[in-house]
Order: sequence, then structure tokens, then C-alpha cells
Amino acid sequence: GAGVSQSPRYKVAKRGQDVALRCDPISGHVSLFWYQQALGQGPEFLTYFQNEAQLDKSGLPSDRFFAERPEGSVSTLKIQRTQQEDSAVYLCASRSGQGDFKLFFGSGTQLSVL
Amino acid sequence: DAKTTQPTSMDCAEGRAANLPCNHSTISGNEYVYWYRQIHSQGPQYIIHGLKNNETNEMASLIITEDRKSSTLILPHATLRDTAVYYCIVRAGGSQGNLIFGKGTKLSVKP
Repeated sequence: GAGVSQSPRYKVAKRGQDVALRCDPISGHVSLFWYQQALGQGPEFLTYFQNEAQLDKSGLPSDRFFAERPEGSVSTLKIQRTQQEDSAVYLCASRSGQGDFKLFFGSGTQLSVL
Repeated sequence: DAKTTQPTSMDCAEGRAANLPCNHSTISGNEYVYWYRQIHSQGPQYIIHGLKNNETNEMASLIITEDRKSSTLILPHATLRDTAVYYCIVRAGGSQGNLIFGKGTKLSVKP
């Protein structure tokens, strides 16, 4: 596709529900990143894939957060038993390869946990 | 990676140049300076990056001091659509991993 696509754009969940957020990176991009952005703050790193391998998941805030990229393209961020503090914008970015850090971001999924 | 310091906010008149400063006094020789911006309700957008030479593209110019301890992003003719948060990030070249965003500078372009 022309850019990074994320769906859904908005998600409202009741506390305790599980949610799945999808990211379609730019075709052929090797690296994929997930960030979490709270209101008024800069994006915070969650996890990073190179192809299908999850190379860094140090930013995942708890074991309720899980990300996968099974075929090295589309990625899903899953949050189990959502809590109010999970409310944020979840951003996905992709990058063509190693070398520079020109990341291409999607518009994000705004998650609201009630 | 080196830490960066940016002003919290800045104003600029429409049509004038916007000069956004960034301090990175602990930058290492192999670290690049990257600039991104984030317009409201959108994901961050790459603007420009450089190592030690000044850089220019269709969006902006990047001026890096000779000692590389600070830099300035210049938007030559700011428009209302340039209102955004601008992030200055330092990152080693050729490395893997993520970018670390700080809080950035909120630039408000006023008519």
C-alpha cells in the first residue's frame, strides 16, 4: 500500500475485555515498530520486529500486552483484560531496512477503556 | 543514545521562518540528528536527518553546529499547516532498534 495502515481507527472497550489492533506496514518493509502515546506525551516504544522475529519487547508494560508478526508483514498488538490505564493512541511504524531511521507511521488506533 | 533538550513551545508568524533549536551536547561521533513532527491526530512524520553537514530537502533545512552539540531545524516559510509538535532525536547510524521520542517542541504558527 501507499502508507502504513492501522485498524480500527478508534476502539472503545469495557474494562476487562481483550482487544486486537492491526497494522499493515508498507509493502517490503523489514522493520515494524509499535508505540504507545498517552495524551500530551511523546510516543513511547513498545516493541520491534525485524521480519517475523520480535527482536525487542522491552517496552511492553505488562504481560497483558502481546504482539505478533507471523509472516513478516501484517502485525497485531493484542491487549488482554484491558485496564483504564491502557487508554492511549497505539502507533505502528515501518522502516525499509537497516541503516537510517526513517520511520513511516500510521495514523494510530485510539483506544478508550471504560 | 544522546539525550536532547528542546523548548516546550514556540510561536511563529505565518510566512516567516520558524527556527526550532535542539541541544544534544553529549552526542557521539557516529550519532545522527533526526527530526520528526506530529500534526494533531496523525502519526509522526519524518522531516530530515544529518550527521555533521547542513542538510536541506523540500520540507526543511537542518543546521548542525561545528561541534555538533546543537542543531536548528528551519522551516523557511511557515504555514498554518506546519503547526505541530517537532521532535529532535539522536540515533547512532547503522544500528538496529527503535527511536526514542521526548516531549518535543509545540510549534504554533499564527496568522
